[in-house]
Amino acid sequence: AQKITQTQPGMFVQEKEAVTLDCTYDTSDPSYGLFWYKQPSSGEMIFLIYQGSYDQQNATEGRYSLNFQKARKSANLVISASQLGDSAMYFCAMREGRNQFYFGTGTSLTVIP
Amino acid sequence: KAGVTQTPRYLIKTRGQQVTLSCSPISGHRSVSWYQQTPGQGLQFLFEYFSETQRNKGNFPGRFSGRQFSNSRSEMNVSTLELGDSALYLCASSLRPATNEKLFFGSGTQLSVL
Repeated sequence: AQKITQTQPGMFVQEKEAVTLDCTYDTSDPSYGLFWYKQPSSGEMIFLIYQGSYDQQNATEGRYSLNFQKARKSANLVISASQLGDSAMYFCAMREGRNQFYFGTGTSLTVIP
Repeated sequence: KAGVTQTPRYLIKTRGQQVTLSCSPISGHRSVSWYQQTPGQGLQFLFEYFSETQRNKGNFPGRFSGRQFSNSRSEMNVSTLELGDSALYLCASSLRPATNEKLFFGSGTQLSVL
């Protein structure tokens, strides 16, 4: 089974609108961390937001928030007030215990002016 | 503080050759991991090193190897290159291998095998 599943290969959003990028994960380890990264066309991976498995509150970082639904094993990224510079690939990732990082296949987001 | 530095940025090799990629982590970071990225495949984990010891290894053939030096710098080697090895190779560092430690990535080495 895939550890991280991102079912949206491509998404479009109007500038200034909010968008949700889906991510589901699979683990039986009670201790894990969930991450979102952004990869612009330049190629460098940029950290956006982190959620720990024991965190009670959903993580927020500026315009980014993580909708963490533990029972459903989902960790969706919400970007509010989209900007043209948000156009990029977005990767969901998980680390369980001291095991390796697992990355999803990514979602390509295009912000339309 | 300098970020993660990967060299070279671009590399062109022919089938059968070998290649060595280098990664210098952020100062103070002792954990380094490597990933292969190809279009549509996301990031595939290669291996992770912490304090010169390989902690985790991905599902890649033995042609892919790596090591970490005492200054935390890491190298990755691919022997007997195949066309399918063409990819962006990303290195990432963190303070330590823990669930709450985010990865800092380098700009990657784009390897083309002809």
